[in-house]
Amino acid sequence: AQSVTQLGSHVSVSEGALVLLRCNYSSSVPPYLFWYVQYPNQGLQLLLKYTSAATLVKGINGFEAEFKKSETSFHLTKPSAHMSDAAEYFCAVSEDQAGTALIFGKGTTLSVSS
Amino acid sequence: DAGITQSPRHKVTETGTPVTLRCHQTENHRYMYWYRQDPGHGLRLIHYSYGVKDTDKGEVSDGYSVSRSKTEDFLLTLESATSSQTSVYFCAISESGTANRVTQYFGPGTRLLVL
Repeated sequence: AQSVTQLGSHVSVSEGALVLLRCNYSSSVPPYLFWYVQYPNQGLQLLLKYTSAATLVKGINGFEAEFKKSETSFHLTKPSAHMSDAAEYFCAVSEDQAGTALIFGKGTTLSVSS
Repeated sequence: DAGITQSPRHKVTETGTPVTLRCHQTENHRYMYWYRQDPGHGLRLIHYSYGVKDTDKGEVSDGYSVSRSKTEDFLLTLESATSSQTSVYFCAISESGTANRVTQYFGPGTRLLVL
């Protein structure tokens, strides 16, 4: 069965610092992996996705993530945090079997201080 | 932004009453989904649809039913609302094709409070 673990429910960084949000997955087949961002009282916005092409994936707003099969990880990074990055971030996995559900992690809240 | 609207955006209801939430899309996508979001749980799938009149259960389907009579509309019904169904409900859509099917786009959500 698929599962997603996001390490750290809260991450705090200073403006301009590196952002690193961790995601580990379990999957019996090569997965599809996603990061979504949710701003307060809004829906989820797709940041980036891995669909078995390049292992380093670039997304919107300067974020990127690297698929590491040996570590079953898909960590999200951004070189320099901005105040507008403060939000909740969700990692999700899909095996694209008959049921096409995304399995979500529990989320990581990113706080950015000036 | 994907053309997805949800109605109502906010609803307060009483225990035991039926509630219907609507998801409407303008993208003509084949797949539609209903998730609920609860603190500490992320998002969990309730039901999904892979075409008109074709639906299937998700992880947390008990107490919920769905219907899809048109491509653009996917309805979620709480047959007899309970306080445990207080949540934020999100609709999502995705296209056909392998990679496109798994990429889901989300609506703005409906906040439901069951008293």
